[in-house]
Amino acid sequence: DAGITQSPRHKVTETGTPVTLRCHQTENHRYMYWYRQDPGHGLRLIHYSYGVKDTDKGEVSDGYSVSRSKTEDFLLTLESATSSQTSVYFCAISESRAFSYNEQFFGPGTRLTVL
Amino acid sequence: QQQVKQSPQSLIVQKGGISIINCAYENTAFDYFPWYQQFPGKGPALLIAIRPDVSEKKEGRFTISFNKSAKQFSLHIMDSQPGDSATYFCAATGGATNKLIFGTGTLLAVQP
Repeated sequence: DAGITQSPRHKVTETGTPVTLRCHQTENHRYMYWYRQDPGHGLRLIHYSYGVKDTDKGEVSDGYSVSRSKTEDFLLTLESATSSQTSVYFCAISESRAFSYNEQFFGPGTRLTVL
Repeated sequence: QQQVKQSPQSLIVQKGGISIINCAYENTAFDYFPWYQQFPGKGPALLIAIRPDVSEKKEGRFTISFNKSAKQFSLHIMDSQPGDSATYFCAATGGATNKLIFGTGTLLAVQP
């Protein structure tokens, strides 16, 4: 998985509790992404980062926040988890677009269940 | 304009047959079209990709066919094998950002 780890790998939590998912990379790639994967929706971008402290919203960012204080770490926080956020969450990384290709390398995923 | 539409949702093919998955897009700024393969319990991984300056790209048993005028592209898996059973996602990107727009995925089952 291209030097990408996600933690935890599985989590069960209750509605209304805060949850933080961590993505750690050892590739020194500039871009990092958080996706959620749901049946019938494919992969949808939540937030992404194009450098330390530089983040932007994706298509399904409501209810999520992110932080990137170091190149290697990208955190996804659910401030108050809801059942609609039950999903599999994937972190991905890529090099700068300056190389004119956009291969993204994905982590192993975190399965989150909100009861 | 940002959508990528993928079909079919699921596909069953006999071993040795040809698997075909289709995608269509709207945004003419897209300039890179990758296909990702995902096995159960794993993250997606890049399988093959194409740029719109060519109409076809082949890597082993996997071929992308690209029709720029129709804004469509497809993945062909020749001599499909049970080990090809996975979920396949098409995607597209282009313009000023490095964001990928994914299709909804196709679950392929290759029967022995």
